[in-house]
Amino acid sequence: GAVVSQHPSRVICKSGTSVKIECRSLDFQATTMFWYRQFPKQSLMLMATSNEGSKATYEQGVEKDKFLINHASLTLSTLTVTSAHPEDSSFYICSARAGREVEPQHFGDGTRLSIL
Amino acid sequence: GQNIDQPTEMTATEGAIVQINCTYQTSGFNGLFWYQQHAGEAPTFLSYNVLDGLEEKGRFSSFLSRSKGYSYLLLKELQMKDSASYLCAVKDSNYQLIWGAGTKLIIKP
Repeated sequence: GAVVSQHPSRVICKSGTSVKIECRSLDFQATTMFWYRQFPKQSLMLMATSNEGSKATYEQGVEKDKFLINHASLTLSTLTVTSAHPEDSSFYICSARAGREVEPQHFGDGTRLSIL
Repeated sequence: GQNIDQPTEMTATEGAIVQINCTYQTSGFNGLFWYQQHAGEAPTFLSYNVLDGLEEKGRFSSFLSRSKGYSYLLLKELQMKDSASYLCAVKDSNYQLIWGAGTKLIIKP
């Protein structure tokens, strides 16, 4: 159980393009979803936390107008990287948590984004 | 500030045992998690400790001492596929997950 699906797994696109990444919890209802970014050989960096039906909470330094997060249902959250530039190239990973705050987060497989 | 320390890299031999330590200083404590992350992949959940003591799950065990702010992940009968980074993470009083930088474990034949 606790399967999280993330799509697409890899994106290569031109600078200025907007990219949408989907995160779905397949066998549980995710009251909270998290979006992380990870640069090579670095630790996970939390970008934002989203609760179903409410606005996402962004970490300091993360531009909310550039990284649009929508958590419209208990099984789906999306991250849209608007007008992506080469410095946005990274590994983006979503995770989902069911129910109580003490529950573990379960991760999707990640999306490797490369902006040319 | 909040801080989680774990060794950057460790090397062990196939079939052996390795212990990866994690020490933490956080504002409050609501559980400690260990995740495994293979290169280029997302983390996978390994274990969760909220009370002191040892939690065993197959070849992997995790120990917690809240008074010492200390945990370890013990891997037995090491296999080549265990080569990965192991991430220690603690939930603070606000239930925010604080991540360590990870320990890269290299398994040699």
